[in-house]
Amino acid sequence: EIVLTQSPATLSLSPGERATLSCRASQSVSNYLAWYQQKPGQAPRLLIYDASNRATGIPARFSGSGSGTDFTLTISSLEPEDFAVYFCQQRSNWPYSFGQGTKLEIK
Amino acid sequence: QVQLVQSGAEVKKPGASVKVSCKASGYTFTSYAMHWVRQAPGQRLEWMGWINAGNGDTKYSQKFQGRVTITRDTSASTAYMDLSSLRSEDTAIYYCARDRGGTGDFDYWGPGSVVTVSS
Repeated sequence: EIVLTQSPATLSLSPGERATLSCRASQSVSNYLAWYQQKPGQAPRLLIYDASNRATGIPARFSGSGSGTDFTLTISSLEPEDFAVYFCQQRSNWPYSFGQGTKLEIK
Repeated sequence: QVQLVQSGAEVKKPGASVKVSCKASGYTFTSYAMHWVRQAPGQRLEWMGWINAGNGDTKYSQKFQGRVTITRDTSASTAYMDLSSLRSEDTAIYYCARDRGGTGDFDYWGPGSVVTVSS
């Protein structure tokens, strides 16, 4: 099973700042990596698929990059509604797997 | 608009089974696969399996093989996840999530169904 490790576990930033979240895979997943946002009490929401493609309706301040084993989610200028937990997920190999999450909190 | 509506919270005793439903609307049900993902307290999201809503083919995570059964009723546009031999570690929120066009990532999620396993 492919293990995804996210860092940092918690990121404390202020609105307007840039956020950089990392996801590392235990083996190559090519570009078959997605990012999700989850707010308390809500289901996850797809942000990025295939490493760098924004899902429908996702603002341009969200961007993804990387391939192989190292991936990054960048939020260029944080809005108040962006403070949430972010997960990465690979679909390269069965079973599909998720990272443990990065909590983005207000500083 | 795409909506996935899940069944309500369940409390089960160890050894029992639970069946969670996921009713889809706003799209052609048989054109998209449906996945089931769970989130136990303090744990990462965990993929359980999926069903091709068109032909009924399924694939399960080996972790749940033998305990999980995913089915669908096309006339009701509803997918089901049945988990048997429940233990306390199965206490979790269970989500259905629509596959993004045969890709293996998930573009729409249900709100989740809480399953509590307790004696």
